[in-house]
Amino acid sequence: EVQLVQSGAEVKKPGESLEISCTGSGYNFDDYWIGWVRQMPGKGLEWMGIIYPSNSDTRYSPSFQGQVTMSTDRAARTAYLQWSGLKASDTAIYYCARHLRAVPYDFWGQGTLVTVSS
Amino acid sequence: QSALTQPASVSGSPGQSITISCTGTSSDVGGYNYVSWYQQHPGKAPKLMIYGVTNRPSGVSNRFSGSKSGNTASLTISGLQAEDEADYYCCAYTSGTNWVFGGGTKLTVL
Repeated sequence: EVQLVQSGAEVKKPGESLEISCTGSGYNFDDYWIGWVRQMPGKGLEWMGIIYPSNSDTRYSPSFQGQVTMSTDRAARTAYLQWSGLKASDTAIYYCARHLRAVPYDFWGQGTLVTVSS
Repeated sequence: QSALTQPASVSGSPGQSITISCTGTSSDVGGYNYVSWYQQHPGKAPKLMIYGVTNRPSGVSNRFSGSKSGNTASLTISGLQAEDEADYYCCAYTSGTNWVFGGGTKLTVL
């Protein structure tokens, strides 16, 4: 069974750093991209970018380029999304999803709620 | 990259059919056959319902179908059921190896 399990909810202050994770199981982790999607409170889905664990090829949405960093640990079958200086506007649920161009975002993690507040 | 355009809301009665549109440009919806649709119930993660414009993943009801004409893709749900009430998002591949979501459509089953 394909599963993506994300790390738990986080509460942070503006300016702090954060890394959330997404661990895949039930499939060959190297063969699929991992995508990240933001959903701000009461709003729609926003595509942040994708990363290919096999070679760390990464594509960022222009809206998120320079704002976040995507990475993977192949041995741990885990993808990461990192911020170096959080803002209140980063408050959102962040989803990871397994991805291929032919079958995009077919399995999703449960989401990680990130709350940034002073 | 601007979001694809979807109606904010649609509604229908049980048993009826509804169609949700998703309008983009020749650089995304119209340029590639990589349009997918996702269903999201409140408090849940999105679920893939249609990919490659017309394809249904295993386990998705055949009441859901997709199509495309020019720069507009459509999701049709036939035989509406109460459980179909959810938010629906389209997603398309764009030039530049990016992807873009639509703004989302809230489906209400009356």
